[in-house]
Amino acid sequence: DAGVIQSPRHEVTEMGQEVTLRCKPISGHNSLFWYRQTMMRGLELLIYFNNNVPIDDSGMPEDRFSAKMPNASFSTLKIQPSEPRDSAVYFCASGIAGGVNEQFFGPGTRLTVL
Amino acid sequence: AQSVSQHNHHVILSEAASLELGCNYSYGGTVNLFWYVQYPGQHLQLLLKYFSGDPLVKGIKGFEAEFIKSKFSFNLRKPSVQWSDTAEYFCAVNPWNTGNQFYFGTGTSLTVIP
Repeated sequence: DAGVIQSPRHEVTEMGQEVTLRCKPISGHNSLFWYRQTMMRGLELLIYFNNNVPIDDSGMPEDRFSAKMPNASFSTLKIQPSEPRDSAVYFCASGIAGGVNEQFFGPGTRLTVL
Repeated sequence: AQSVSQHNHHVILSEAASLELGCNYSYGGTVNLFWYVQYPGQHLQLLLKYFSGDPLVKGIKGFEAEFIKSKFSFNLRKPSVQWSDTAEYFCAVNPWNTGNQFYFGTGTSLTVIP
């Protein structure tokens, strides 16, 4: 299995631009998580989905952030408009809901907003 | 709210020294417990996990952790560290009644000096 796939791996953009991060979970997994990692705040859960349905989005910092999961094999995290304080590494993780299973993390997207 | 505390933010050891990283959580019910490792520039990978049974669990690369329910702790140990263990270590708690939502600690940065 290829594991969790994220794209792009690096993104540099200017303040005000729209940013879209993409994630493909491991085949057969029905839970998907978006995390943000910064030096100041550590690893924060932004949102997670079970069976393509958003379960908890309380970690989404502002309305500028939105996430979708149109099908079991794809999810996006969008920031519009982006701001310098959004600079971070964004991780996607997947797992199996309803069981005692670990989360498998993707390689992350390093976002820099200038 | 659930919380996971990792009291050691940065640990520096010489090779062959013994390691113990602390992890305490605040949830009173049944939990699943995990330690993840993040090598420089890489994504989080699972070191070990505890679901039930023997409270002393062994993971990869010689790591082990002990679940002490009365102390709400899940400390990570390794008898003899290597330079290649230099990484960030994250403790995570998955309360049984939250589905597969994880709560991560802020991480401990380990530097092993050759």
